[in-house]
Amino acid sequence: AQKVTQAQTEISVVEKEDVTLDCVYETRDTTYYLFWYKQPPSGELVFLIRRNSFDEQNEISGRYSWNFQKSTSSFNFTITASQVVDSAVYFCALSEGRGTSYGKLTFGQGTILTVHP
Amino acid sequence: NAGVTQTPKFRVLKTGQSMTLLCAQDMNHEYMYWYRQDPGMGLRLIHYSVGEGTTAKGEVPDGYNVSRLKKQNFLLGLESAAPSQTSVYFCASSNRDTANTGELFFGEGSRLTVL
Repeated sequence: AQKVTQAQTEISVVEKEDVTLDCVYETRDTTYYLFWYKQPPSGELVFLIRRNSFDEQNEISGRYSWNFQKSTSSFNFTITASQVVDSAVYFCALSEGRGTSYGKLTFGQGTILTVHP
Repeated sequence: NAGVTQTPKFRVLKTGQSMTLLCAQDMNHEYMYWYRQDPGMGLRLIHYSVGEGTTAKGEVPDGYNVSRLKKQNFLLGLESAAPSQTSVYFCASSNRDTANTGELFFGEGSRLTVL
């Protein structure tokens, strides 16, 4: 069975601080996909990134960066120079790559990020 | 371009009442899903469907029924609502060809309160 753990329930930072959200996963599959979603106060789920299990390259998109390490089964998310608009709940999720997985996602518990001005 | 639409957005029920949540997608997606979101537990899969006329149980199916009579619609039913079903419900859909890479499209959520 697959599992995603986000140990940080809540994080509070002051604007312009850097913040890292941790994600640790478990799966027996060799092919899988990892995701980060953002849920702002308005409630919708916003897709941020997808990474497949064969691509361990780190990715940077503006102030966002992701560090994928298969050796530690982690897929951490860093926001550089945080802004108030980054305040949201962030979810890490896992999808197994088997055809019979039908795209089902296993989500972590979520991390509530609050950025204070 | 509506995407995934959930109806209703908010509902308050009394224990024992029944109701149906409707999810409609206009992207001709084969796969559809119902998740519930609870504080500290993330989103958990209730039921899903891989095609018209087919449904399957997810992680937390008890107390819910679903139907997929039309490809574009996925209904989630609560026959006898319980306070434990107070939650935010999300519907999602995906194309069969991209489903395994997790290209899910989510609705805006439906907040259900059971008193």
